[in-house]
Amino acid sequence: DQQVKQNSPSLSVQEGRISILNCDYTNSMFDYFLWYKKYPAEGPTFLISISSIKDKNEDGRFTVFLNKSAKHLSLHIVPSQPGDSAVYFCAASLGGSEKLVFGKGTKLTVNP
Amino acid sequence: DTEVTQTPKHLVMGMTNKKSLKCEQHMGHRAMYWYKQKAKKPPELMFVYSYEKLSINESVPSRFSPECPNSSLLNLHLHALQPEDSALYLCASSPKGGGTDTQYFGPGTRLTVL
Repeated sequence: DQQVKQNSPSLSVQEGRISILNCDYTNSMFDYFLWYKKYPAEGPTFLISISSIKDKNEDGRFTVFLNKSAKHLSLHIVPSQPGDSAVYFCAASLGGSEKLVFGKGTKLTVNP
Repeated sequence: DTEVTQTPKHLVMGMTNKKSLKCEQHMGHRAMYWYKQKAKKPPELMFVYSYEKLSINESVPSRFSPECPNSSLLNLHLHALQPEDSALYLCASSPKGGGTDTQYFGPGTRLTVL
């Protein structure tokens, strides 16, 4: 049973526009959420996180929104740049546990 | 120093070999992790060490044996692996452990079992 779902395997956007990556989760006990970016042949790179007590967190071009009632979070990248092209993973952790549960990832392509 | 390093980058081994993967961090982090990632799949947690003690073992087969000699170093000893164990093995560390701790990943070791 997949507890963290990224239903779009891929997304393509134009440089300068907004990229919106979505993530849904099934376990209402998750209380900390993270987004990672991964280039081929590299480890995941931490981007941004959000605690369940917040509904928005912003860091430069990256903003994460959390909708607890819908069990949904999204990552907005504005403006998108070609260097943002990578696979983006959503991850969640549960009530103090170190265990991160990852989604399957969304491959973002930003076209010049 | 803000990175997690892993050696070797690539490893090819036979099913009867014994090998080890090494992970190192010098950020003063007290929790370290091993993940396994198969192609087109998300990373899956294998082990967690918190303050040099094994705190999570996700029912990993005994042919994988973790070791944490000190707070900066994490090893994964491999013995009698199967071809289906071929994957990218990722190490991560985090400052304290716990659910709201951000994990930082190394580049991974690409393992091929023949």
